[in-house]
Amino acid sequence: QKEVEQNSGPLSVPEGAIASLNCTYSDRVSQSFFWYRQYSGKSPELIMSIYSNGDKEDGRFTAQLNKASQYVSLLIRDSQPSDSATYLCAVNAANTGNQFYFGTGTSLTVIP
Amino acid sequence: KAGVTQTPRYLIKTRGQQVTLSCSPISGHRSVSWYQQTPGQGLQFLFEYFSETQRNKGNFPGRFSGRQFSNSRSEMNVSTLELGDSALYLCASRGSGFSTDTQYFGPGTRLTVL
Repeated sequence: QKEVEQNSGPLSVPEGAIASLNCTYSDRVSQSFFWYRQYSGKSPELIMSIYSNGDKEDGRFTAQLNKASQYVSLLIRDSQPSDSATYLCAVNAANTGNQFYFGTGTSLTVIP
Repeated sequence: KAGVTQTPRYLIKTRGQQVTLSCSPISGHRSVSWYQQTPGQGLQFLFEYFSETQRNKGNFPGRFSGRQFSNSRSEMNVSTLELGDSALYLCASRGSGFSTDTQYFGPGTRLTVL
């Protein structure tokens, strides 16, 4: 059974600060990693995907992957109140029919 | 490209009834997955269909079923509704179903069981 774990939070950061969200996964053969953002009452929307060890940057967002340590993180620089949402980590592996496994999400609040 | 669409967006049913939800994936996508989301349980995987075949299945009772049509549209059916089935039901599509494919979610169907 694959497990994806996230701190449920809530995580609160002041506006302009860096928010750091972490995710660990149990299956070493996981190959693809995704971060989704979900606003209250809405469906998840993709923020970033990452497949290789290291950092991947997209605007204010940076995803970091360390397969040896089995964790993936998301950094949000210059946090804005509009970033307040739940962030879901998802992993995917080819050996299990490419099923997605989601964490329970981390609630982020950016305080103006 | 148009996104994933789901109908209806809101539904109110009573216990014992059955319900059918519909999902149209992004054009060209062949994989459709269904999830149940509740405040206490988070996103729970129901099943995934790829080219009209169920490829993966979560741990839900047989009251939950689905199918996929040749045009990749998918339906999910819940029979004998229970109060605990009240949830947001999300559909997600992806292209060929490879591990690097990204899943894109529809807006969801909010089901309330009274």
